[in-house]
Amino acid sequence: AQTVTQSQPEMSVQEAETVTLSCTYDTSENNYYLFWYKQPPSRQMILVIRQEAYKQQNATENRFSVNFQKAAKSFSLKISDSQLGDTAMYFCLRGGGADGLTFGKGTHLIIQP
Amino acid sequence: NAGVMQNPRHLVRRRGQEARLRCSPMKGHSHVYWYRQLPEEGLKFMVYLQKENIIDESGMPKERFSAEFPKEGPSILRIQQVVRGDSAAYFCASSRTGLVNQPQHFGDGTRLSIL
Repeated sequence: AQTVTQSQPEMSVQEAETVTLSCTYDTSENNYYLFWYKQPPSRQMILVIRQEAYKQQNATENRFSVNFQKAAKSFSLKISDSQLGDTAMYFCLRGGGADGLTFGKGTHLIIQP
Repeated sequence: NAGVMQNPRHLVRRRGQEARLRCSPMKGHSHVYWYRQLPEEGLKFMVYLQKENIIDESGMPKERFSAEFPKEGPSILRIQQVVRGDSAAYFCASSRTGLVNQPQHFGDGTRLSIL
């Protein structure tokens, strides 16, 4: 089975610090997508950042960036200058092809004031 | 320890028919959440249920969509009189409690295609 592994169930950092959430995945496909979603208490799933596997350049969205290492099947999320509003569950997802979406188990990120 | 089971994996319906999507939560989980992933869009929360109760249905369309989680059996997401725009992947997740820091475990989804 295709899997996505988030090895950090919970992380806590101080406001303004930089934090990195790890994600590794398994796939037999060459073309696929990777996503990081943020889930605040409202349970909405908010797309944070998306990476196409065929692109070598790491995706960046304001304070959020990824370190995508295709050979190692690693897709970590870096949050710079963390803010209190970043407190949420973060899910790493792998998608594309016939397998649909595969979710990691999530990392609960807490930003301390 | 089986994870969240969704069936069918793929469902094809003609316009006007009914679609029933099933979700069996992980053992010991009594909280179920449904999400919809529309093509080119992200995941949208639809509804949150606890056994026999709908806790939050703020993401459910007002018409044609309903959800239940009976005392016995899986949770069902029901779409009546389906239209082309209902074509999407529908994901179910479950958790042991409804606390926001409890991990949600996701199923593999059901891909609904409307002809």
